[in-house]
Amino acid sequence: DTGVSQNPRHKITKRGQNVTFRCDPISEHNRLYWYRQTLGQGPEFLTYFQNEAQLEKSRLLSDRFSAERPKGSFSTLEIQRTEQGDSAMYLCASSLMGEGNEQFFGPGTRLTVL
Amino acid sequence: SQQGEEDPQALSIQEGENATMNCSYKTSINNLQWYRQNSGRGLVHLILIRSNEREKHSGRLRVTLDTSKKSSSLLITASRAADTASYFCATASGNTPLVFGKGTRLSVIA
Repeated sequence: DTGVSQNPRHKITKRGQNVTFRCDPISEHNRLYWYRQTLGQGPEFLTYFQNEAQLEKSRLLSDRFSAERPKGSFSTLEIQRTEQGDSAMYLCASSLMGEGNEQFFGPGTRLTVL
Repeated sequence: SQQGEEDPQALSIQEGENATMNCSYKTSINNLQWYRQNSGRGLVHLILIRSNEREKHSGRLRVTLDTSKKSSSLLITASRAADTASYFCATASGNTPLVFGKGTRLSVIA
């Protein structure tokens, strides 16, 4: 399977705990995006990388959120001190720069904070 | 904030009928894209239309773009039960990330 993969698919945690999600993009894609989606809403942009450089972060990305893409391949999104409002689907997407920004999405990680 | 606004929010049709969804946006764009999302799953790219294009077809999908009205429509012809999903428009402007609307939930009844 050469698509975008995300792990874990589901995560249930208690408020205050830290969680980390992983995204493996399509191998030749140099751009990687993180989105958050809540029920009944469209995806909301969080941050994106071009290779290993984090180029933009949304205001939605509070100090408790951090993302990395250390070698320009896979990426991790960590949420520290989770809150109930963090419960959402976290989507990862990748694309090739200059290809109209057509993005390929992974299946998402559904986070539930109790 | 979300730029695109899909209309209607929900649509229910019989199998075989056509489904039309609309999207309005606010700022100038390079292209507009439509995605489909099955319940609880990731998004699947359907079609991309550039700002200098007015209409595009892909199989049973027809997309139009009117940049003067800042609107787009997605037509699915001869709908099938498998088309049941949420459909999102997303706008691309320069190097900025895609901005998605809230989506239209389509139900196709067999």
